[in-house]
Amino acid sequence: GENVEQHPSTLSVQEGDSAVIKCTYSDSASNYFPWYKQELGKGPQLIIDIRSNVGEKKDQRIAVTLNKTAKHFSLHITETQPEDSAVYFCAASLYNNNDMRFGAGTRLTVKP
Amino acid sequence: NAGVMQNPRHLVRRRGQEARLRCSPMKGHSHVYWYRQLPEEGLKFMVYLQKENIIDESGMPKERFSAEFPKEGPSILRIQQVVRGDSAAYFCASSPGGASGNTIYFGEGSWLTVV
Repeated sequence: GENVEQHPSTLSVQEGDSAVIKCTYSDSASNYFPWYKQELGKGPQLIIDIRSNVGEKKDQRIAVTLNKTAKHFSLHITETQPEDSAVYFCAASLYNNNDMRFGAGTRLTVKP
Repeated sequence: NAGVMQNPRHLVRRRGQEARLRCSPMKGHSHVYWYRQLPEEGLKFMVYLQKENIIDESGMPKERFSAEFPKEGPSILRIQQVVRGDSAAYFCASSPGGASGNTIYFGEGSWLTVV
C-alpha cells in the first residue's frame, strides 16, 4: 500500500517569511495529493489539492508543487501570518480509490 | 450545506464501559471514513464504509471496535470495554465517491477520554 513521509515534523518561521513542507510517497500510481490544516482542537480542513496531471497549483498565498518522477510534492506558504500556525498534513491516493494515506504532520509556528 | 457532523464532541468513559461515536456525512456524500488521532500524532485510518457495507476495515483493531453505516441514520463507531489506550480524538470524514472522486472532508472530531 501507499506510504507517505512528511518533513519537517516542526517548522518555525518569522511572520512574513515563507514556509515549505515536503512529502514523498511510495506508490507511483497515486494521482491525488491533498493538503490539510488542523488547528488545535479542531478537525483537519482541506486547504489545497493537486492531481497528477498538473505540476503546480496556487491559491493566494498557498501553492503546491508535484514532481511525479521523484514522487514528492510540497506545500509552499508565502508571507506567513500568525494565523497560519497549525499542524499541516499531506496525503496521497488514487483519485477514484478511497485509500488515502496521510503523512505524520508538520507543526508550523509563525512568530509575530 | 452543513459539513460533516460528529457527536458527541467530548465523551468521558470509565474503563470497561462502551463508547458510541456518531457521524453524519455531508449532504450528498455516501462514503464515510473513521480516523483515530492520538495526542501529538498523525491521522490513522481505521475503517471505510458505504451505506450498509464495510469496504475496508484494515485499520480497525481486531477486538472491541466495530463500525456501521446503516441505510438510515448516521455512521456509528462503537468501542466496547474501553481501556485507557483508547483515549484519542476520533475523526469522521466523508466523500462523494464514485466519479466525483474521493476528496475527503473531515468533521470536528469526537474526543474520547477513558478514566
